[in-house]
Amino acid sequence: NAGVTQTPKFQVLKTGQSMTLQCAQDMNHEYMSWYRQDPGMGLRLIHYSVGAGITDQGEVPNGYNVSRSTTEDFPLRLLSAAPSQTSVYFCASTNLGTQAYGYTFGSGTRLTVV
Amino acid sequence: AQKVTQAQTEISVVEKEDVTLDCVYETRDTTYYLFWYKQPPSGELVFLIRRNSFDEQNEISGRYSWNFQKSTSSFNFTITASQVVDSAVYFCAPQGGSEKLVFGKGTKLTVNP
Repeated sequence: NAGVTQTPKFQVLKTGQSMTLQCAQDMNHEYMSWYRQDPGMGLRLIHYSVGAGITDQGEVPNGYNVSRSTTEDFPLRLLSAAPSQTSVYFCASTNLGTQAYGYTFGSGTRLTVV
Repeated sequence: AQKVTQAQTEISVVEKEDVTLDCVYETRDTTYYLFWYKQPPSGELVFLIRRNSFDEQNEISGRYSWNFQKSTSSFNFTITASQVVDSAVYFCAPQGGSEKLVFGKGTKLTVNP
């Protein structure tokens, strides 16, 4: 099993550019989420989804959009990148109600906005 | 909403010492889960343990042990006979009925040879 796959691993954007961070899982997990990790801040929840067609905001949603058209994919869109969005982004998934093995995380995307 | 405090920002120990990482959480949920994750220097997040709020038994897994005290809202993590490979950032994370996992700011553990 591939688990949770994030692409790209690294990205440099100019201020104002847009891009999509991809996240795909092959474990048929209902729940998927996006976090950003900044030094000294831990991981903060951006958006999450409990199933295809359902998304909701987390702690820091501003500047980001998500959609969930399939169970497998949960892309994160930056519509107009800002330097404040420089961060490491993690995607995570789990089965609802049975997180016996915790959430599975992707390997992360390191984004720099200049 | 959940909230978690990991008061120790950084800890440095010498190999073979025991070390305890503290975690204090807040939640309004009556049923919740508590997680610990490890983030080694390579950056990935590694699941260590999940504890149900109804289960207050302490748990031991090899050199790792966890002490859950519901009365003080604490879920502390002890590494016995630490090794250099234990060097990492460790995150405590409660999760309530909304399925959202809320992370603490983490404790960076450095184990020196």
